[in-house]
Amino acid sequence: KAGVTQTPRYLIKTRGQQVTLSCSPISGHRSVSWYQQTPGQGLQFLFEYFSETQRNKGNFPGRFSGRQFSNSRSEMNVSTLELGDSALYLCASRYISGANVLTFGAGSRLTVL
Amino acid sequence: DQQVKQNSPSLSVQEGRISILNCDYTNSMFDYFLWYKKYPAEGPTFLISISSIKDKNEDGRFTVFLNKSAKHLSLHIVPSQPGDSAVYFCAASGQGGSEKLVFGKGTKLTVNP
Repeated sequence: KAGVTQTPRYLIKTRGQQVTLSCSPISGHRSVSWYQQTPGQGLQFLFEYFSETQRNKGNFPGRFSGRQFSNSRSEMNVSTLELGDSALYLCASRYISGANVLTFGAGSRLTVL
Repeated sequence: DQQVKQNSPSLSVQEGRISILNCDYTNSMFDYFLWYKKYPAEGPTFLISISSIKDKNEDGRFTVFLNKSAKHLSLHIVPSQPGDSAVYFCAASGQGGSEKLVFGKGTKLTVNP
């Protein structure tokens, strides 16, 4: 089985721009979650999508948004980028029933200049 | 409000000795706990988990202990190997498959040859 695929792996943007990150979950996984990792802050939950609906949302400003498509692929968007948005953005997928084990992708490293 | 705490940012041990990584949580509704390992430039990978109905779970060199009354869990690695050097994240959630995972900030383990 292919793992969770995230694109792009690395990107550089400037303040004020927007960015869209993509995630393809493991085949058959219908839930996709997004996390932000910054030095010293661990993994902070952004949101989770299931069957194209946002099911959970973390404490991030409205500049952070996401969506899920009918094939379970997901995108997240950050508008009006700030320097503090520089981070590793991780996508994870899982089956919705049973154990709460997330399978993560390798992440998208965003640098905001 | 940090619900999952890993108070040691780093830990250094000698190869062959035991590594003990600690994690505390504050939310009494958490009843499922996981450990993830993360190498640089890779996403976190699932290591081991434990349900609140157990106090110990073992998988090869890795054992997780749960003390519900103290809201504390620990990961033991015996014997430690240089390849175990990574950042270890503790995570917690409620049951049911619909709860988000809440992560700690991570502990960087270095195993010296």
